[in-house]
Amino acid sequence: DAGVTQSPTHLIKTRGQQVTLRCSPKSGHDTVSWYQQALGQGPQFIFQYYEEEERQRGNFPDRFSGHQFPNYSSELNVNALLLGDSALYLCASSLAERGGGNTEAFFGQGTRLTVV
Amino acid sequence: AQTVTQSQPEMSVQEAETVTLSCTYDTSESNYYLFWYKQPPSRQMILVIRQEAYKQQNATENRFSVNFQKAAKSFSLKISDSQLGDTAMYFCAFIESADNFNKFYFGSGTKLNVKP
Repeated sequence: DAGVTQSPTHLIKTRGQQVTLRCSPKSGHDTVSWYQQALGQGPQFIFQYYEEEERQRGNFPDRFSGHQFPNYSSELNVNALLLGDSALYLCASSLAERGGGNTEAFFGQGTRLTVV
Repeated sequence: AQTVTQSQPEMSVQEAETVTLSCTYDTSESNYYLFWYKQPPSRQMILVIRQEAYKQQNATENRFSVNFQKAAKSFSLKISDSQLGDTAMYFCAFIESADNFNKFYFGSGTKLNVKP
């Protein structure tokens, strides 16, 4: 089992551009969550996908959008990139039927996005 | 509002000694799960230990144990017999049990440096 995989591992973009980050959940998991971790900070919840729908959303602007595919993999899209979007983007997968923390969430190694 | 506070940005400990990392949190829910995650330079979040709020007994995992004080909303992590491999960022987090989809609230982290 490869666990949670994210691609790419590093990315450099220019202000104003758009970016797509990808996440494949751990085998058997059906829920994918995305977090933004700024340098020296803890991860901040962006949003969460289950059954191909956004179920919860954190305090992030509409420039941040996502998608979940039938195979449970997910994409995070960020439009009109700002310098402040530079961060590590983490993906976490879990099983919805064991929600409320009653299961272990698995994290990927993240995508380091640098906006110049 | 749900918050997690880690008041120690950085700590150092000699190899083989014991260190305690502090965490306080705030939630209006009575049922929740608390976590300590380790993030080494590889960036991947690794679960260290988990505590269910309705269980009074403190969780232990080998050299790692917690001191859970529900009334004080305190959840500290004790690492015994510290090893060089324990050097990492440590994040305290919680999930509310009413949340079906495992949304984490993270603290800002404590950087632990184990010295030889």
